[in-house]
Amino acid sequence: AQSVTQLGSHVSVSEGALVLLRCNYSSSVPPYLFWYVQYPNQGLQLLLKYTSAATLVKGINGFEAEFKKSETSFHLTKPSAHMSDAAEYFCAVRAPDTGRRALTFGSGTRLQVQP
Amino acid sequence: SQTIHQWPATLVQPVGSPLSLECTVEGTSNPNLYWYRQAAGRGLQLLFYSVGIGQISSEVPQNLSASRPQDRQFILSSKKLLLSDSGFYLCAWSGGGTDTQYFGPGTRLTVL
Repeated sequence: AQSVTQLGSHVSVSEGALVLLRCNYSSSVPPYLFWYVQYPNQGLQLLLKYTSAATLVKGINGFEAEFKKSETSFHLTKPSAHMSDAAEYFCAVRAPDTGRRALTFGSGTRLQVQP
Repeated sequence: SQTIHQWPATLVQPVGSPLSLECTVEGTSNPNLYWYRQAAGRGLQLLFYSVGIGQISSEVPQNLSASRPQDRQFILSSKKLLLSDSGFYLCAWSGGGTDTQYFGPGTRLTVL
């Protein structure tokens, strides 16, 4: 079985501050991990993904995430928040080679950026 | 490049009425297709996925059904809508080795 826990349903940062969104996963096999962003009334856009290559993954819009097997974590970071980063962020996991193609999503973290 | 379309974008339906939401994908063949529902303030719930024409897997028992009449077309239906069917419905496709999922723009359904 696989699951994802996103700590903090709401995170608020000041513009220019560090963004840290937390994601911990549970998987019976080495997983694929994803971060998606959703702006109001829109679909989800892929930010980045980890697929067992480099553990530090760089994505779009200046975001990056680091896969830490020992901590079963895949936290999303951005050095300096911009107002346009305000959105909801979802972490997702897929266990390859299990026959299950669908992703399991976390409950999401809403990021607010204060001026 | 691949694109995914959903329609309608918004829909307001009375309780007990039927439903048909459509999703089509362009620029790829034999994609895996998915329907998710996102209720207000909640995460994404996988409803159905399909690995080929006529092959549908249901994740959650409910009054919704899905069909895949063509390779790149995925339809979500209901014979009688419930209030609890309100939400944001997202279609997604995936393909390739990692099966990364790419999402459509979504349909906002309000059942009154």
